[in-house]
Amino acid sequence: DTQMTQSPSSLSASVGDRITITCRSSQTINNYLNWYQQKPGKAPKLLIYAASTLQSGVPSRFSGSGSGTDFTLTINSLQPEDCATYYCQQSYDTPRYTFGQGTKLEIK
Amino acid sequence: QVHLVQSGPEVKKPGASVKVSCKASGYSFDNYGISWVRQAPGQGLEWMGWISAYNGDTNYAQQFQGRVTMTTDTSTSTAYMELRSLRSEDTAVFYCARVSFNFIGVFQYNWFDPWGQGTLVTVSS
Repeated sequence: DTQMTQSPSSLSASVGDRITITCRSSQTINNYLNWYQQKPGKAPKLLIYAASTLQSGVPSRFSGSGSGTDFTLTINSLQPEDCATYYCQQSYDTPRYTFGQGTKLEIK
Repeated sequence: QVHLVQSGPEVKKPGASVKVSCKASGYSFDNYGISWVRQAPGQGLEWMGWISAYNGDTNYAQQFQGRVTMTTDTSTSTAYMELRSLRSEDTAVFYCARVSFNFIGVFQYNWFDPWGQGTLVTVSS
């Protein structure tokens, strides 16, 4: 199975900052990469699919990039409500899916 | 509006089984697959498996093979996940999610959306 590795595991940033989370796959997955946001006590929410396509309704400060094995999620102009844990997920091995271990984002 | 509503919390003893339901509404149930995800307390998301609501085909993560069974009832638009031989490490929130898809060019992309609200299963003697 394709393994997904995220970094960092956690980070702290201030309102208005720009942050980047990295996700690396153990084998090439082209652009079959999704990003989710999960807030405490809530189900995950889809942010981005196909590595860079923003899900409807997701603020444009979120963006994704990458292809092959290396991917990034960028949040521009951080807002307090962006405090959450972010997960990448590969869908290349459909119908087998794997998640990264998550990146916990704290707002200072 | 597309919704997945899961059954309520469960408390089970080690060695027992649990069956969690996930009722879909707002879309044609048999046009999509359903995946199940486990999240232990304070831990990340762990994909458990997938079932086609169209024909019942399944694909399970290796770590759950032999212990999990996923089924669907198209007459009630409900998916089920049964986990057997429960141990304390299975204490977790279990989520169902619709495997949505779209085409970009000729390529199909899949993702999980929406998700159910989650079902807490506590395994304790």
